[in-house]
Amino acid sequence: QSALTQPPSASGSPGQSVTISCTGTSSDVGGYDYVSWYQEHPGKAPKLMIYEVSERPSGVPDRFSGSKSGNTASLTVSGLQTEDEADYYCSSYAGSNNLLFGGGTKLTVL
Amino acid sequence: QVQLVESGGGVVQPGGSLRLSCAASGFIFNNYAMHWVRQAPGKGLEWVAFIRYDGITKYYADSVKGRFTISRDNSKNTLYLQMNSLRPEDTAVYYCAKGFSNWSLDNWGRGTLVTVSS
Repeated sequence: QSALTQPPSASGSPGQSVTISCTGTSSDVGGYDYVSWYQEHPGKAPKLMIYEVSERPSGVPDRFSGSKSGNTASLTVSGLQTEDEADYYCSSYAGSNNLLFGGGTKLTVL
Repeated sequence: QVQLVESGGGVVQPGGSLRLSCAASGFIFNNYAMHWVRQAPGKGLEWVAFIRYDGITKYYADSVKGRFTISRDNSKNTLYLQMNSLRPEDTAVYYCAKGFSNWSLDNWGRGTLVTVSS
């Protein structure tokens, strides 16, 4: 299976909202509500931001939200802050006990 | 708090073997599934392997099936990844991660670098 498709980059100014897409197929994103999003700052371990499409783990600000429509999942960051600048990866269960990740999106806060 | 610390990375020749370890603390290790995920230089994340909390059920990415073996020692709170027949394309930072809900991973280590090169 191929990796999920994410835009390589996204950007926004402080206080704005930005949405990052994650496109798969009916065999992964579209077939299961098991989409997660991870934030990765350079040199640090990835951090879980969203699980099961739209659920936030405790401690994750509610500025981060997730959704899904068909074969595309989205992560929206509202009220952008400078510390949100990082790489973001989506993942989805792809059936047959397999997990797929996206290629990653570099979010720049202008 | 949860800590995951990987070790065992290094430089190995193609065809060689390496065993990675991941020492876990701050949670009841034998209650949770664990995963290995890797990231090649300048590339995205790639899931490698899964092991159920009791070590009985294991799953692998097609790219490593038959070459890599995931295991765990719940008495030592430690996760392992035995990597055989290594290829240059296996060069990556290898992360261990704690399973959360339905194939999400809620805690990750800092990773250990494996370089396969002659």
